[in-house]
Amino acid sequence: SYVLTQPPSVSLAPGETATITCGGSNIGGYSVHWYQQKPGQAPLLVIYYDFRRPAGSPERISGSNSGNTATLTISRVEAGDEADYYCQVWDTNSDHWVFGGGTKLTVL
Amino acid sequence: EVQLLESGGGLVKPGGSLRLSCAASGFTFSNYIYNMNWVRQAPGKGLEWVSTIMTINNNKKYGDSVRGRFTISRDDAKSSLFLHMNSLRVDDTAIYYCVREYQGRGMDVWGRGTTVTVSS
Repeated sequence: SYVLTQPPSVSLAPGETATITCGGSNIGGYSVHWYQQKPGQAPLLVIYYDFRRPAGSPERISGSNSGNTATLTISRVEAGDEADYYCQVWDTNSDHWVFGGGTKLTVL
Repeated sequence: EVQLLESGGGLVKPGGSLRLSCAASGFTFSNYIYNMNWVRQAPGKGLEWVSTIMTINNNKKYGDSVRGRFTISRDDAKSSLFLHMNSLRVDDTAIYYCVREYQGRGMDVWGRGTTVTVSS
């Protein structure tokens, strides 16, 4: 089955740019969605179709997808961005939704 | 306001059964542009997709760890989604989220979740 690989954690200071990667075989051929999950809350869709933002998702959050890596970028990070971030694709070979293992973003 | 409200979680012994329900409101549940899903999260772990039911044709999909034990169903007249869980195992312990998917654009509405604990 298809596997998505994310770094377990990313740490940076306020104001810096966070880059969270999601690796998968030819992931550029898939549509990638990204979710933010804060402690004790349900996940929230922040990027769909690789780079599109749902209503309410801040412009500081962007996405890209090419080759074997999809990337979520959060500019000018702030304390409120601390959360777990998950990537997701629909694997047409298995007819399964697949989630990455998640990345914990810490703002120092 | 679009809402999903899960219920039915609880403590069950290994080998037991449970039925989860999800009441949808604020949108047309039977509209084919929405598929409905269950996603779970074990304590301290990541998200795991459990099952999907396609609105357009009632087609059902299951994750490998639950296939043959769990059954997803829906009642469009009551705007409700269900998950029938049999032969429960300790590793089925998790928060179970009811989730709306909008035409392949990811999962745009999540419920607050209901907790299932499988323990002797």
